[in-house]
Amino acid sequence: TQLLEQSPQFLSIQEGENLTVYCNSSSVFSSLQWYRQEPGEGPVLLVTVVTGGEVKKLKRLTFQFGDARKDSSLHITAAQPGDTGLYLCAGASVRGSARQLTFGSGTQLTVLP
Amino acid sequence: EAGVAQSPRYKIIEKRQSVAFWCNPISGHATLYWYQQILGQGPKLLIQFQNNGVVDDSQLPKDRFSAERLKGVDSTLKIQPAKLEDSAVYLCASRQGTGTEAFFGQGTRLTVV
Repeated sequence: TQLLEQSPQFLSIQEGENLTVYCNSSSVFSSLQWYRQEPGEGPVLLVTVVTGGEVKKLKRLTFQFGDARKDSSLHITAAQPGDTGLYLCAGASVRGSARQLTFGSGTQLTVLP
Repeated sequence: EAGVAQSPRYKIIEKRQSVAFWCNPISGHATLYWYQQILGQGPKLLIQFQNNGVVDDSQLPKDRFSAERLKGVDSTLKIQPAKLEDSAVYLCASRQGTGTEAFFGQGTRLTVV
C-alpha cells in the first residue's frame, strides 16, 4: 500500500504569514496533485505536477514536485483567511489497469484575521 | 457542465441497519471512485470502476460493503450491516478516461449511532 504523509497535520497562523506544507512518500508517483477541501464539500483540485523538480505557481501558492517524484511541497505567501481549509496531496499511480489516486492524511490550515 | 451528484447529503442510522448511497458522475466520465473520509483524515479509496467493471476493490470491506455501477453510469454504495466505525463522509469522484483530474461530489455524511 502506498502511503503519503503530510506535515504538519494542523497549522494555525495569522493573516499575512507564510507557510509550507509537506507531502512525503517512499513511493514514486507518475504525478502528484494538491486539493483543497472546505467543510461540507468535496476536494477541489488546485494543481497537478508531473515532472520531477517541477515548480508551479498559482497566485500566492507555489507547488513543487521533488526530483525523485516521491515528495512535494505547497508554499503559501501572505496567507489570507480565505485560504483556510483542508489541504490534501494525492499521488497518481498505475496498478494493473487501474489509475489510482492515493490521498495523504491532510493538513488543516486556519488563517486568523 | 453539471458536477458529480451525490445523495443523500446526510444520513443517520442505528448500528446493524443498512444504508445506500447514490452517485451520478459527470457525463462521459469512464472512471468512478468511492472514497471514505473519516473526520480529520484524507479520503481512503474503497472501490474504483472503469465503465461498469471493477478495477480496484482491494480496500473495500466486502463482508459489509458492496457497490455497483449500473450500465457504466450511476453507482450505488451499500453498507449492510453498519457499524459505529463506518461513520464518515462517503465521497464519489469521476474522471475522464485520459484525464488526470478527478472531480468530487459534495459527499454523503453518514452517522451511525
